[in-house]
This record gives sequence, structure tokens and C-alpha cells, in this order.
Amino acid sequence: SQTIHQWPATLVQPVGSPLSLECTVEGTSNPNLYWYRQAAGRGLQLLFYSVGIGQISSEVPQNLSASRPQDRQFILSSKKLLLSDSGFYLCAWRTGGGYSPLHFGNGTRLTVT
Amino acid sequence: DAKTTQPNSMESNEEEPVHLPCNHSTISGTDYIHWYRQLPSQGPEYVIHGLTSNVNNRMASLAIAEDRKSSTLILHRATLRDAAVYYCIPNTGNQFYFGTGTSLTVIP
Repeated sequence: SQTIHQWPATLVQPVGSPLSLECTVEGTSNPNLYWYRQAAGRGLQLLFYSVGIGQISSEVPQNLSASRPQDRQFILSSKKLLLSDSGFYLCAWRTGGGYSPLHFGNGTRLTVT
Repeated sequence: DAKTTQPNSMESNEEEPVHLPCNHSTISGTDYIHWYRQLPSQGPEYVIHGLTSNVNNRMASLAIAEDRKSSTLILHRATLRDAAVYYCIPNTGNQFYFGTGTSLTVIP
């Protein structure tokens, strides 16, 4: 069966510090991968998605970036965090090329202080 | 992308059926209708999806209007664990856009 791993579960970082969040999927090949962010009390915002290694589509211009160095690995990064980057970051995957649903990880709760 | 309209909130008594509506009048012919729910402090969870016919699974049923401009998620017997925000998302391509959803309160 397929599983998705996200870490860390919680993170507190000072303003201006770098960020790296990692997501890996097991049990499937060539998945579509996604990063979402949910600010406190708000809805889910699609940040990035990827349909293959090295292929990244950005939905919202901001100081975040994403990379997909391996088929089942998706990384969210920032060089300098802002207070507004605080939120609940969620990674998700789906089977590529079809109408399959999204499956989410447990998320990382980031607080920028 | 099709726009969706859902009630901000709904209440249901425990062990009674719940019908959660969604209007998606601008849906395209190839959009599947996905439903997800998000429990507090958790990531969204897939519930069900369908194209034209009504769909059933162990979690819920999905009733799709004949013109596909609306759909209804049916929880047959609400439990306290069903208290969550429910999202309806028409989707064809790679992007999934979540709206504000319906916050379901289940009353014991």
C-alpha cells in the first residue's frame, strides 16, 4: 500500500532563517506531488505541484520554492522566512495521468517568530 | 476552474443522515467531482469522487444531479467523528483548488 511521509511535524523558526520541508511517498511510481499551505483559520492554498522529476509548477509567487530531486521526493524550501510564512504545510500525492484522488500527509505546523 | 458554492456550516444529530450540498454550475464535462474532509489539526482526507453516476463507498454516498451542476454528499449515519470541514472540488487537470467548504457539527 502507498504511504506518504512528511517531516517534521512541528517547526519553530526565526524570521530570516532558511526552511526545508521534505515529503516522500512509498508504494507508487511517478506520482503527482503537491504542496499546500493553510494559514490559521484559513483555507488550503495550492503552492506547487509536480508531475515528474524536475518538473515544478508554481501557483503563487512568493519566497518559497519547491524541488523534486527524485521520483517520490518533494521538497519545499525558503532562503529567508517571513512571519507570513507561518502555517500548516501539507504534502499530497495522487496517481499520475488519471482522475485519481489526492492523498495527504500529516502536515508540518510551521511557526515563524 | 469550476467555482463551487457550499453552505458555510451545517449541524446534524448523531446517528441521523446528513446531506451536504455543493453547487458547481460552471463544471466542465470532464470534471470529476471530488469530496474531501478535514478534521481539526489534520490534513484533508479523501471521501469519494464521481463523474456522472451516483457513487457509494464505505464512508459515504455521492449523488450527482443529472445536469451535473450540483452534487450532494450523503453521510448515512453521522457520528461524532464525522465532525469536520467538507470540501467539494470539481477537477479535471492536475490542480486541486480547495474552497472554504462546509463545517459540519454533529450534536450528540
